[in-house]
Amino acid sequence: AQSVTQPDIHITVSEGASLELRCNYSYGATPYLFWYVQSPGQGLQLLLKYFSGDTLVQGIKGFEAEFKRSQSSFNLRKPSVHWSDAAEYFCAVRRSGGGADGLTFGKGTHLIIQP
Amino acid sequence: GAGVSQSPSNKVTEKGKDVELRCDPISGHTALYWYRQRLGQGLEFLIYFQGNSAPDKSGLPSDRFSAERTGESVSTLTIQRTQQEDSAVYLCASGGVHYGYTFGSGTRLTVV
Repeated sequence: AQSVTQPDIHITVSEGASLELRCNYSYGATPYLFWYVQSPGQGLQLLLKYFSGDTLVQGIKGFEAEFKRSQSSFNLRKPSVHWSDAAEYFCAVRRSGGGADGLTFGKGTHLIIQP
Repeated sequence: GAGVSQSPSNKVTEKGKDVELRCDPISGHTALYWYRQRLGQGLEFLIYFQGNSAPDKSGLPSDRFSAERTGESVSTLTIQRTQQEDSAVYLCASGGVHYGYTFGSGTRLTVV
């Protein structure tokens, strides 16, 4: 079964600084990969997804992520964070090729923005 | 509608009562997931529906939990004889791998 690891439970970044949130997955083949953001009291919003092609994907709100097969990683990046980016970020993986596997989520990274 | 709709948005129930949570997916989305999110925690997979295939119920925590889906439309999650540990936000998502999965705003369940 696939699994997702987000090693950082909390990250604090100054406003205007760059950001990288780590995500590692465990699955033998190329999975479908997603990043979601959850603001306090809100549902989850899809930031970006990868399922094939260019390994650098662009998403909404200025976010991007890079799929690195050799490292089984799909890290999320943003060059300059804004106070409104403070939220919980979840990485998710779904097995490719069909099947009834659930969309598996990491435990999330809580992003704090310092003024 | 344009998004995934969940109702009710909030539900307070007494321990031992049954509750039914509803999810209206985006029209045309064949896949539908239910997740549970306890306060300050990540998402716990409950059940997955894909078209007319048999659902994957492997995440349901006990036989008090059940879910149904009519074709590719509405889904209901039923919790019987609710317990305090059932208190959580229940999230529904619909979609597919090539266009991602859209989440509803969730139902916040409080068992008192």
